[in-house]
Amino acid sequence: KAGVTQTPRYLIKTRGQQVTLSCSPISGHRSVSWYQQTPGQGLQFLFEYFSETQRNKGNFPGRFSGRQFSNSRSEMNVSTLELGDSALYLCASSLEDEGGWGPTEAFFGQGTRLTVV
Amino acid sequence: QKEVEQNSGPLSVPEGAIASLNCTYSDRGSQSFFWYRQYSGKSPELIMFIYSNGDKEDGRFTAQLNKASQYVSLLIRDSQPSDSATYLCAVNGGNYGQNFVFGPGTRLSVLP
Repeated sequence: KAGVTQTPRYLIKTRGQQVTLSCSPISGHRSVSWYQQTPGQGLQFLFEYFSETQRNKGNFPGRFSGRQFSNSRSEMNVSTLELGDSALYLCASSLEDEGGWGPTEAFFGQGTRLTVV
Repeated sequence: QKEVEQNSGPLSVPEGAIASLNCTYSDRGSQSFFWYRQYSGKSPELIMFIYSNGDKEDGRFTAQLNKASQYVSLLIRDSQPSDSATYLCAVNGGNYGQNFVFGPGTRLSVLP
């Protein structure tokens, strides 16, 4: 079965611009989360969407936003780009444990490498 | 601030040996724990997850969880050079849904 698909794979943007990244989860997965990975900070949680609603949010400024569509596909938007936003942005989709303990089998896409110049 | 700590390594083991990777976490309310492997330039791939205290085995991999000590480990038996990668420990944040807090990762090098 198809994995998590992220587009585009690479992006180069200029400071002050905005960018939209896309993520298509594994079929049947309703939870989609976004992460930022940098050499200095490692992997950091941005937010999670479930059934078109933001369910969890990390400690990132409001310039980072997202949404989820009825087919579970998700987009992430970053406005007013800064040099420090250069990173690998990863999307992860997951099934929910029936007991409500959280995700099982959380799978990552290949990521979008964003470079801000 | 919820934190997950790992030894950054590198951890070097000879081929065929057991590699032991450790992780501690600060949030006592955490419920689920994950090990990911990440090759250089690639995205993390799930090795296994564990919810309950004790051991969970999957092939050459065994995850061990001790909630009282807030400690998770991953054992890799019969280590192969292809196991050389960074191993990331992830702890779900305790809220409902996915909210992973990742450790910095341990770089493992398996020497032929």
